[in-house]
Amino acid sequence: NAGVTQTPKFRVLKTGQSMTLLCAQDMNHEYMYWYRQDPGMGLRLIHYSVGEGTTAKGEVPDGYNVSRLKKQNFLLGLESAAPSQTSVYFCASSRDSSGVNEQFFGPGTRLTVL
Amino acid sequence: GQNIDQPTEMTATEGAIVQINCTYQTSGFNGLFWYQQHAGEAPTFLSYNVLDGLEEKGRFSSFLSRSKGYSYLLLKELQMKDSASYLCAVLDSNYQLIWGAGTKLIIKP
Repeated sequence: NAGVTQTPKFRVLKTGQSMTLLCAQDMNHEYMYWYRQDPGMGLRLIHYSVGEGTTAKGEVPDGYNVSRLKKQNFLLGLESAAPSQTSVYFCASSRDSSGVNEQFFGPGTRLTVL
Repeated sequence: GQNIDQPTEMTATEGAIVQINCTYQTSGFNGLFWYQQHAGEAPTFLSYNVLDGLEEKGRFSSFLSRSKGYSYLLLKELQMKDSASYLCAVLDSNYQLIWGAGTKLIIKP
């Protein structure tokens, strides 16, 4: 099993450009999450999904959109990138949201917006 | 607001014991997680506590006191590979994880 995979691993964008980050999981998990991680700060939840076809906003959703058309995939889109979106983005999945089911993380995407 | 505090950085010696503390104030509590994150890598699950007390797992133990809003992660027989950041996270009343900024642990020979 590959677990949680993310593409791409690295990306450099210019301000105003758009891109989509892809997350895939092969563990048949219902829940999927997108986080960003910035120096000196904890992981912050951008958007999450509790099942195929559903999405919800997290703590910092502005400037991002998501889609969960298939259970195994969760896409994060940046329509018009800004330098403030320079960050490391992690996707995670879990069987459900209950405490005993930990979140499994992908390797991350390092995004720089110039 | 919701807040999780943990020290920014700690240094310990190979073979020794270190305790990393975490205090939290959150809207509701449905458990506390500890994750390990090596530099440039993804966080990986270490432990989960929902009841007061100590959970032991090999060289790592995690303690929780819900009344004090306090947890610690205890690492014994430190090895160089334990050099990493340790993240404390609380599952709040909405079953969302609230994360601390992490404690960078430096192990010296």
